[in-house]
Amino acid sequence: GAVVSQHPSWVICKSGTSVKIECRSLDFQATTMFWYRQFPKQSLMLMATSNEGSKATYEQGVEKDKFLINHASLTLSTLTVTSAHPEDSSFYICSARDPLAGDSYEQYFGPGTRLTVT
Amino acid sequence: GQNIDQPTEMTATEGAIVQINCTYQTSGFNGLFWYQQHAGEAPTFLSYNVLDGLEEKGRFSSFLSRSKGYSYLLLKELQMKDSASYLCAVRDGDYKLSFGAGTTVTVRA
Repeated sequence: GAVVSQHPSWVICKSGTSVKIECRSLDFQATTMFWYRQFPKQSLMLMATSNEGSKATYEQGVEKDKFLINHASLTLSTLTVTSAHPEDSSFYICSARDPLAGDSYEQYFGPGTRLTVT
Repeated sequence: GQNIDQPTEMTATEGAIVQINCTYQTSGFNGLFWYQQHAGEAPTFLSYNVLDGLEEKGRFSSFLSRSKGYSYLLLKELQMKDSASYLCAVRDGDYKLSFGAGTTVTVRA
């Protein structure tokens, strides 16, 4: 099946600093990628839809100036958490959709990035 | 938006069958997915339904009734490794997934 990677797997940063998380589709071109956040014992919440070559679409309540998304190529989307605070500590997961796979195919999820802000 | 409900927890014995129900109210429907997620890991795909009826895949089956806004995931011949969280997710016309809160299944020996 299709593979999506994320880097880094986990990161610890100090409050006030910025952190960049990369999401790559390794064997297909993804025109659309999705970024989710998951707090402990809660489900995945969609943060934004990342579209190659255009601006990301953010879900209600997600600050676009705090969570910067760049989808510069068909295989790479990045999420930058700017001026991170402890409440941003969470599990960030990306997914990618293969537009050639047909409607019956699911999104392929990356392994996730555990962010801890101290 | 989407409103997706599923039970919080279920416990069953090894070798048994467990059925996880999911009800949804949607503003757009383009398929229902079930995912398995172990703690600290990303979700893994289990099943997909877009038409009414039952889809069977080995020990796992999933059912959908669009008119009732209802789905279930059936896990047969439970194994200890099946202990995990099971997520029901509805896809809309923009291919966005909305997830339920997840059902934690604990399999006991």
